[in-house]
Amino acid sequence: DAKTTQPPSMDCAEGRAANLPCNHSTISGNEYVYWYRQIHSQGPQYIIHGLKNNETNEMASLIITEDRKSSTLILPHATLRDTAVYYCIVRPRPHTGTASKLTFGTGTRLQVTL
Amino acid sequence: DSGVTQTPKHLITATGQRVTLRCSPRSGDLSVYWYQQSLDQGLQFLIQYYNGEERAKGNILERFSAQQFPDLHSELNLSSLELGDSALYFCASSVDLARNTGELFFGEGSRLTVL
Repeated sequence: DAKTTQPPSMDCAEGRAANLPCNHSTISGNEYVYWYRQIHSQGPQYIIHGLKNNETNEMASLIITEDRKSSTLILPHATLRDTAVYYCIVRPRPHTGTASKLTFGTGTRLQVTL
Repeated sequence: DSGVTQTPKHLITATGQRVTLRCSPRSGDLSVYWYQQSLDQGLQFLIQYYNGEERAKGNILERFSAQQFPDLHSELNLSSLELGDSALYFCASSVDLARNTGELFFGEGSRLTVL
């Protein structure tokens, strides 16, 4: 799986947008970008994933650069409950009958403050 | 609630002992994954099972073993426990269908403390 680089920590004021960057310069054509987060000692939670187009769901937006070498996870209106470690993971999308593990890096610790 | 159930939530035991952690995946999920998270190591992949068969293996110690049963629940067995085995152990499951998104659903973990 391609390696990712994330800043170790970020702060964000509550109500503001949190923009979490991720570099994945060695990503290959069949690899997707996944984002997970882990709220203190809880199980990691899936947020969003994408291949090359920008994606949005009820939790967040994912912006992937045209060359796919980096991406940004956007939490549009951060709340205190969004304080967590955010992991950017790159891996191939599994095909039918298979499933591939997730390799977690060190992630970005996002602290949302009042 | 992810739908993945792990028991026990907390476990305290002594060095040299053996414990079994149990995981019930989401209904219909065929793959089960085990991860270890200790303070200084982050989330480490241990092993994956798919429909009863071992599919992938990570940095799992020989003292550790796992299996997935016909009803798809899984157990992680940890033996000859050492202080360094103290950690959170997470189980995750995933769907394996034609429209598999590759999303893993994690349980809330089992916290093991070895004294």
